[in-house]
Order: sequence, then C-alpha cells, then structure tokens
Amino acid sequence: AQRVTQPEKLLSVFKGAPVELKCNYSYSGSPELFWYVQYSRQRLQLLLRHISRESIKGFTADLNKGETSFHLKKPFAQEEDSAMYYCALSGRAGNNRKLIWGLGTSLAVNP
Amino acid sequence: GAGVSQSPRYKVAKRGQDVALRCDPISGHVSLFWYQQALGQGPEFLTYFQNEAQLDKSGLPSDRFFAERPEGSVSTLKIQRTQQEDSAVYLCASSWKQGQPNTGELFFGEGSRLTVL
Repeated sequence: AQRVTQPEKLLSVFKGAPVELKCNYSYSGSPELFWYVQYSRQRLQLLLRHISRESIKGFTADLNKGETSFHLKKPFAQEEDSAMYYCALSGRAGNNRKLIWGLGTSLAVNP
Repeated sequence: GAGVSQSPRYKVAKRGQDVALRCDPISGHVSLFWYQQALGQGPEFLTYFQNEAQLDKSGLPSDRFFAERPEGSVSTLKIQRTQQEDSAVYLCASSWKQGQPNTGELFFGEGSRLTVL
C-alpha cells in the first residue's frame, strides 16, 4: 500500500535547538518525496523536494531508501519555523503527480 | 492574479443542498488538482485535470462529487446533496507551465472551507 507516515502530530522545541520531523513512506517503485509547509493563515507551499537536494530556510531532508524515510532536519530552530509540516510523495512517471500525504506535524518553536 | 484563487473561502450549507466551489489556477498551468482536507488530516486527492481533460477522478468519494474544467483554466467542484461528512477544506492546486519541465511542485489556493449542518 502507498502510505506516508508522520508519527508525531505535535513537536515542541526551544529556539536554537535542533529539530527533526520524521517521515516514513511505503511505495512500490521509485517515488519523489516532498515537504510542504503551512504557516499560520497562509496557504500550503513547497518547502523542499528530495530531487533538488537543496537547503531551504536552513532545512534539509535526505531520502534514505533503505529505511524508506525522508526526515526533515534543521540544526537551530527559529520561532518563525513554527508551522504545520506535511510530508508527501508522488510517483515519477507521467504528468499526474498526485500526492499522497502524511497527517502532518505541527512544529512549535518556543522562545 | 499571481496565485491560485479559490471561492468562496467559506461556505455553510444545509444537509441536502448543492454547492459549487471555484478554482482559478495560475495562468498557463496545465495541471489542476482538487484535494479534500478533513480536520486534523492531510489532504486527500480527489481529481486531476490536464488542461480540460479530467484524467483521474479516482479520489472522488461518491457520484455526488463532480468536477469540470471546460476551457482548461477555471475549474469547478460541485457537490450534490451535501452530507455532514462532506465538511472539509477543499484545496485546489495547479502546476506545470506548458513548455517548461514538470517539476511536480504544486501551487495551492487558500482553500474553501465547507461546513454542512
């Protein structure tokens, strides 16, 4: 079955602490993995894609095919990182890139 | 406008009423998706359009749900005889400008929150 699991509904850290939002997936084939973020009163937006292998706002995520994971990490959390984070995957073939989503993790960065 | 626009932002319907939700995608975007997001859940795929063609409607929960994109731009999601379980945020997303690589990145609207009483 195709599935994305985010085991933590809520993650609370202090400013300056490292943060890791977990994401595990189940997919037959070679998926493309994404992290989307929704800040308060804003729309969902792409944070990063595993294919681009870039760091956005200090966040990185490495695809671990052996562990079928795509955890999101940041070494020093900032208050403005407080948001809802969704991990999602899609197949790579064709143009119908419909996404399968996790339930999301709400990150609260406390001062 | 520059982004995906959805209307209405909020809709309250009585059980049994029909509702129509509109999505105006980013100009020139080929792909258009509708997602349903219930409270505390991640988005769930409903349907996908490539231009005016509805290529995937596997996520529509029942035949009360109908979507169209007749001219390959604006799309409407219609829900007939609404039920309480239809209460959710309906998200529209568009992507992929013709002539450019399809990166898979979705650009979302703010959503239409439907409450069925």
